[in-house]
Amino acid sequence: DGGITQSPKYLFRKEGQNVTLSCEQNLNHDAMYWYRQDPGQGLRLIYYSQIVNDFQKGDIAEGYSVSREKKESFPLTVTSAQKNPTAFYLCASRGAGGYTGELFFGEGSRLTVL
Amino acid sequence: AQSVTQLDSQVPVFEEAPVELRCNYSSSVSVYLFWYVQYPNQGLQLLLKYLSGSTLVKGINGFEAEFNKSQTSFHLRKPSVHISDTAEYFCAVSDGATNKLIFGTGTLLAVQP
Repeated sequence: DGGITQSPKYLFRKEGQNVTLSCEQNLNHDAMYWYRQDPGQGLRLIYYSQIVNDFQKGDIAEGYSVSREKKESFPLTVTSAQKNPTAFYLCASRGAGGYTGELFFGEGSRLTVL
Repeated sequence: AQSVTQLDSQVPVFEEAPVELRCNYSSSVSVYLFWYVQYPNQGLQLLLKYLSGSTLVKGINGFEAEFNKSQTSFHLRKPSVHISDTAEYFCAVSDGATNKLIFGTGTLLAVQP
């Protein structure tokens, strides 16, 4: 089945550690996105990539990094510089239709900093 | 920059009653609007979208929304809700210049028996 796979689903991290969240899609979509979700704040865009080997900062990119070496993969690293990393992270992709097209989401990764 | 406002953070409603979830967007020449639903601990899925044409848009699970340009609104409605409709609903607007989708803060629909 086509879709987006995020892993791990739950992750615990000690303060000061970097952690990488995986996002893989087999939808053949060019554009991929990372959102952060906090209660009462909706979804905020961290990074997005419209094509392989290119990505742009979203609204809250500080303390995060990404790479886009393959069309299928868009991993997100939460670095120790991110002051409040505990949140639910959602990866999405978008295919034909550009800004009129539907976003397809993964099931999310919940990161808790201990 | 585009923006979306969902004024109601939570809407309680009894089963089989009608419901309306409100969404207002910032005015723009071209606007593309979406409603997504999120069930607990899951990702989001598309309910419906407005790109052009008829202002009444029908989506999945019996939901519909009406685009109102003069009021810059895109309210979501369902004539009779079920317990299974309990979820968080997000309105979103697409920024044509950057290919970004900008979300509102969400409305939790709580359906009670």
